[in-house]
Amino acid sequence: GQNIDQPTEMTATEGAIVQINCTYQTSGFNGLFWYQQHAGEAPTFLSYNVLDGLEEKGRFSSFLSRSKGYSYLLLKELQMKDSASYLCAVRPDYKLSFGAGTTVTVRA
Amino acid sequence: GAVVSQHPSWVICKSGTSVKIECRSLDFQATTMFWYRQFPKQSLMLMATSNEGSKATYEQGVEKDKFLINHASLTLSTLTVTSAHPEDSSFYICSATPSGRAQETQYFGPGTRLLVL
Repeated sequence: GQNIDQPTEMTATEGAIVQINCTYQTSGFNGLFWYQQHAGEAPTFLSYNVLDGLEEKGRFSSFLSRSKGYSYLLLKELQMKDSASYLCAVRPDYKLSFGAGTTVTVRA
Repeated sequence: GAVVSQHPSWVICKSGTSVKIECRSLDFQATTMFWYRQFPKQSLMLMATSNEGSKATYEQGVEKDKFLINHASLTLSTLTVTSAHPEDSSFYICSATPSGRAQETQYFGPGTRLLVL
């Protein structure tokens, strides 16, 4: 089976930075994805890492270390609208395996 | 970007009835689509992989006779929940990856919320 771990909840202040960690143990590796999901809505794609290193996309960045089975999503300059669940997903083959998600609450 | 639609967005039905949910890729073709289920405050759980022109592949523990999947065209997959019961109440989400672009992300539909009374 696949094992993907991420913290359950995180709270941060508007304008701050939050880092969401994700560790994984999977039968294969064909990419790691981060998605944002607001309550009652479907996930939306944030980032994709398949090689080691940092991918930056505006206020969001994602890092991957394949040897350590580790990734993080960095959210900078937090805004209230960033309050959501953030899902780490690994693609061992052609399917996605999701972590349980990290609920981020942004406070004023 | 690639757009995936689902219909209906909400459905309420009586126990014992069947419900059909449609998933459409609007601006791309998808040989493969995926069906997920999400219970409150839980993550997405893959139910099955829908393959155009062939039988769906179900995940362990998912009853194929209860959750019928048909992928008759490159832009449409349907999930039918047969003889629905209250425990089937959930948020059902489909996703698709453009044909020939398997390395891309899956694009998710907006989801269908099912409530079985």
